[in-house]
Amino acid sequence: SQTIHQWPATLVQPVGSPLSLECTVEGTSNPNLYWYRQAAGRGLQLLFYSVGIGQISSEVPQNLSASRPQDRQFILSSKKLLLSDSGFYLCAWSVKGGRLGRKLFFGSGTQLSVL
Amino acid sequence: GNSVTQMEGPVTLSEEAFLTINCTYTATGYPSLFWYVQYPGEGLQLLLKATKADDKGSNKGFEATYRKETTSFHLEKGSVQVSDSAVYFCALSSGQGGSEKLVFGKGTKLTVNP
Repeated sequence: SQTIHQWPATLVQPVGSPLSLECTVEGTSNPNLYWYRQAAGRGLQLLFYSVGIGQISSEVPQNLSASRPQDRQFILSSKKLLLSDSGFYLCAWSVKGGRLGRKLFFGSGTQLSVL
Repeated sequence: GNSVTQMEGPVTLSEEAFLTINCTYTATGYPSLFWYVQYPGEGLQLLLKATKADDKGSNKGFEATYRKETTSFHLEKGSVQVSDSAVYFCALSSGQGGSEKLVFGKGTKLTVNP
């Protein structure tokens, strides 16, 4: 069966420090991968998605970047965190191809607090 | 662009009460519609979906019907339980060629009291 792992679960970082959140998927190959952010009082915002190794699409301009060094690994990074980067970050994957309506499978999330 | 608007929360109900969470959308073409649920301390999981007009998605006693004429996908449950306490997100899909991007509403927090 497929599983998605996301870590760490919680993270407290000072402003200006770097960030690296990792997400890995098991039990499937060539998935679409996504990073979402859920900020306090706001909905889920798609940050990045990837359809393959090294292929990253950014949905919104921001202080963050994403990389996909391996087929089932998706990393969210920042060189210098801002206060506004605080939020709940969710990694997700979906099966590629076929008609629309395919569901996303989410990780358990990382609560990031930038102080 | 595509967007989803769902009713503001929080919503507080007593056990066995009827639940409705409104959701309307704006989209080009024919999106698929979803309800996701986030239980305390967990990530999101799919609750139900509908892929075309007049489809009804259902799961765990929850239902939602894809209404193209009113661009709505309201979530309903006839009798809620304490275990239904969670945040509910309405979403639509926009993507082609294998990329499935979901646009989410802001979420509605539901608390069910015994």
